[in-house]
Amino acid sequence: GQQLNQSPQSMFIQEGEDVSMNCTSSSIFNTWLWYKQDPGEGPVLLIALYKAGELTSNGRLTAQFGITRKDSFLNISASIPSDVGIYFCAGQGADSNYQLIWGAGTKLIIKP
Amino acid sequence: GAGVSQSPRYKVAKRGQDVALRCDPISGHVSLFWYQQALGQGPEFLTYFQNEAQLDKSGLPSDRFFAERPEGSVSTLKIQRTQQEDSAVYLCASSPWTPEEANEKLFFGSGTQLSVL
Repeated sequence: GQQLNQSPQSMFIQEGEDVSMNCTSSSIFNTWLWYKQDPGEGPVLLIALYKAGELTSNGRLTAQFGITRKDSFLNISASIPSDVGIYFCAGQGADSNYQLIWGAGTKLIIKP
Repeated sequence: GAGVSQSPRYKVAKRGQDVALRCDPISGHVSLFWYQQALGQGPEFLTYFQNEAQLDKSGLPSDRFFAERPEGSVSTLKIQRTQQEDSAVYLCASSPWTPEEANEKLFFGSGTQLSVL
């Protein structure tokens, strides 16, 4: 079945640093989504991407839908303590209207 | 509250016990999803309801898993004869739109953490 590879698995960064994470798929996706999950909570949508090549920003967050439709990245600029959490990519394949395929997450930890 | 509410927040079950997990979606939301999230993993799709109709249950791991949404609002996920591999967080998500209209507009609850001993 479809799989998403998300990397890195975890990141230790200093406050103020920029962060970059990405996802790759074994097949083409029509939609790429980026979510953030805090401990003990459900995921919250950060950015949605709908077209190959699309670049979208949400405050300090920027995400892109890869040209091949098989990858996406998320950048966070000037990280702050509240950015700590787990970031998930999720995609919707061409053969499904609603089943999202999720990556395993990137855990962001900010060093004091 | 205005969000998706799930109960119980935590459930500990002995192997072989039946459990029922409840989801109260946001009022008026058409779509309701159940996801299973194992430790250190992303959510995995279990089943989807559009109002009271269960349109897709292809993600349910076995026939021990059963979900219902009889009146198109509250939903219950039931697991019979629980096994240790059922231990996970079960997330419910709802949306005011059908997936064809806006697949990404999901509002998640905080989940039920199930531990099977």
